[in-house]
Amino acid sequence: EAGVAQSPRYKIIEKRQSVAFWCNPISGHATLYWYQQILGQGPKLLIQFQNNGVVDDSQLPKDRFSAERLKGVDSTLKIQPAKLEDSAVYLCASSLGPHGSPLHFGNGTRLTVT
Amino acid sequence: GESVGLHLPTLSVQEGDNSIINCAYSNSASDYFIWYKQESGKGPQFIIDIRSNMDKRQGQRVTVLLNKTVKHLSLQIAATQPGDSAVYFCAEKGGATNKLIFGTGTLLAVQP
Repeated sequence: EAGVAQSPRYKIIEKRQSVAFWCNPISGHATLYWYQQILGQGPKLLIQFQNNGVVDDSQLPKDRFSAERLKGVDSTLKIQPAKLEDSAVYLCASSLGPHGSPLHFGNGTRLTVT
Repeated sequence: GESVGLHLPTLSVQEGDNSIINCAYSNSASDYFIWYKQESGKGPQFIIDIRSNMDKRQGQRVTVLLNKTVKHLSLQIAATQPGDSAVYFCAEKGGATNKLIFGTGTLLAVQP
């Protein structure tokens, strides 16, 4: 099966600019996740969708981050305005359901904010 | 590519030896555990999972052991190969939040 697709692969922006990331999950996976991975650390959950509804966004900095999954398939994550500390890899993952099934990750978008 | 293994605990093994990577998890209510492998420039790759009603599960060349009494998880890799070099993360899920929480990660370096 095709894996989780993400684009772009790399992005370099200046602070205060905006940026958007796109994710296409594995076909049939109802649950979609966005994680942030800072260099040298494990991924940290930003937001979890079940179909097109938000299940958990408690760790999403909502003053600058937003995400949507309008049709329950693809998802976009946006940062506006970006800060230097947003430099990280943004990983999208999907799973069949929210309980007891492994998450499958894409290769991420590496964001550098200068 | 840029390594995700900076400042991580490192396990160095000889090719052909067995590797054991350990992980202490935090939430006694966690009921599902996953090991991931992350190579430089790539996303975490699923290796093996285990539910809390089991204490051992085997895959191809890998075994996961779960000790709920001391909240400890380990990943054993048999006959370690150079391609096994990567950062390994354990992750736990369950409890009130049901979020998948990742541990710190261990860099496995396989010497030829």
